[in-house]
Amino acid sequence: GAVVSQHPSRVICKSGTSVKIECRSLDFQATTMFWYRQFPKKSLMLMATSNEGSKATYEQGVEKDKFLINHASLTLSTLTVTSAHPEDSSFYICSARELSSGSYEQYFGPGTRLTVT
Amino acid sequence: AQSVTQLGSHVSVSEGALVLLRCNYSSSVPPYLFWYVQYPNQGLQLLLKYTTGATLVKGINGFEAEFKKSETSFHLTKPSAHMSDAAEYFCAVSKPGTSGSRLTFGEGTQLTVNP
Repeated sequence: GAVVSQHPSRVICKSGTSVKIECRSLDFQATTMFWYRQFPKKSLMLMATSNEGSKATYEQGVEKDKFLINHASLTLSTLTVTSAHPEDSSFYICSARELSSGSYEQYFGPGTRLTVT
Repeated sequence: AQSVTQLGSHVSVSEGALVLLRCNYSSSVPPYLFWYVQYPNQGLQLLLKYTTGATLVKGINGFEAEFKKSETSFHLTKPSAHMSDAAEYFCAVSKPGTSGSRLTFGEGTQLTVNP
């Protein structure tokens, strides 16, 4: 149980285009989903926290107009990188917290490797 | 604010040797503590967690960790390393409570297992 998927696993896009990354909880309902960014050989940096049906809360220094987050249902959150540039190239990981268990555990997706050329 | 320090960005052990990965935390309240493992180009997998109760926590793949409040530590150990244990390990802390469960991660420790 508690499986989180991400799609796509890898994406290459041209500078100036937008890219959407999906995060799904496959076998549970997630009240809260988190989006992280990980640079090579580095730790995970929390970008934003999204709650179903409400606006995402962004961490300091993260541009909300550039990284659009939508959490339209209890099983799906999307991250759209708008007008992507090479410096946005990174590994993006989502996680989800289960609704009913009372657990504070986050279940992580497998990540999406974004390369902007 | 919470923070996590992992001593040693790289740890190398021989197969069959003891694995010890160090984690110290800073928190204004007793925290929840986690260890995650990450294989290349993959997400994070939970190894074990401490929330309340017994301070020695056993996790998957033979790993365990002990919460020591007096030392503000949560070191990860495994008695005998296996080649498949080679990966990146992250210690993380969160603040107990009904809101957030926001995780703060350490910088990670790359474990190498030598044959």
